[in-house]
Amino acid sequence: AQSVTQLDSHVSVSEGTPVLLRCNYSSSYSPSLFWYVQHPNKGLQLLLKYTSAATLVKGINGFEAEFKKSETSFHLTKPSAHMSDAAEYFCVVISRSGGSYIPTFGRGTSLIVHP
Amino acid sequence: DGGITQSPKYLFRKEGQNVTLSCEQNLNHDAMYWYRQDPGQGLRLIYYSQIVNDFQKGDIAEGYSVSREKKESFPLTVTSAQKNPTAFYLCASRDSRSNTEAFFGQGTRLTVV
Repeated sequence: AQSVTQLDSHVSVSEGTPVLLRCNYSSSYSPSLFWYVQHPNKGLQLLLKYTSAATLVKGINGFEAEFKKSETSFHLTKPSAHMSDAAEYFCVVISRSGGSYIPTFGRGTSLIVHP
Repeated sequence: DGGITQSPKYLFRKEGQNVTLSCEQNLNHDAMYWYRQDPGQGLRLIYYSQIVNDFQKGDIAEGYSVSREKKESFPLTVTSAQKNPTAFYLCASRDSRSNTEAFFGQGTRLTVV
């Protein structure tokens, strides 16, 4: 079985300050991990992915995430928040489950950026 | 352009009516998924299909039905048995042979009155 826990339902930062969105996972097999962003009433856009290559992954819009197997974590960071980063963020794990690969989502973290 | 298309974007239905949401992809993906999104609950899996003419129930399949007659298409029917159908519905597709990412449509917001 696999699961994802996003530790914060809301994160509030000021523009120009660092962003940290936390994600922990559990998986019976070597997982692939993803972060997606969703703006209101839109679909999900892939920010970055980890698929067993480098543990520090760089994505679009200045975001990056580090896969830490010992901590079962895949936290998303950005050095300096921009107003346009305000959105919902989802951490996703995909690993093999009964012969299938099923994406499992965290509950999401709403990022609020103050001017 | 390759992609995944959901239609319509907004849908209103009266209580007790069945309604079908469309999802089409031209990415040549064999796996397709339907998720339901409610505030604060993330995305919950309704149904998925790994191959044409085959599909599996997800975590919240009750009150929903699907078909997969063509690789490109995976329509979702919300039946009158679904107790609380008002939600945002997202369709996704991916290459099922590996652990690659899923691609999402823009979603359909269903409101039942």
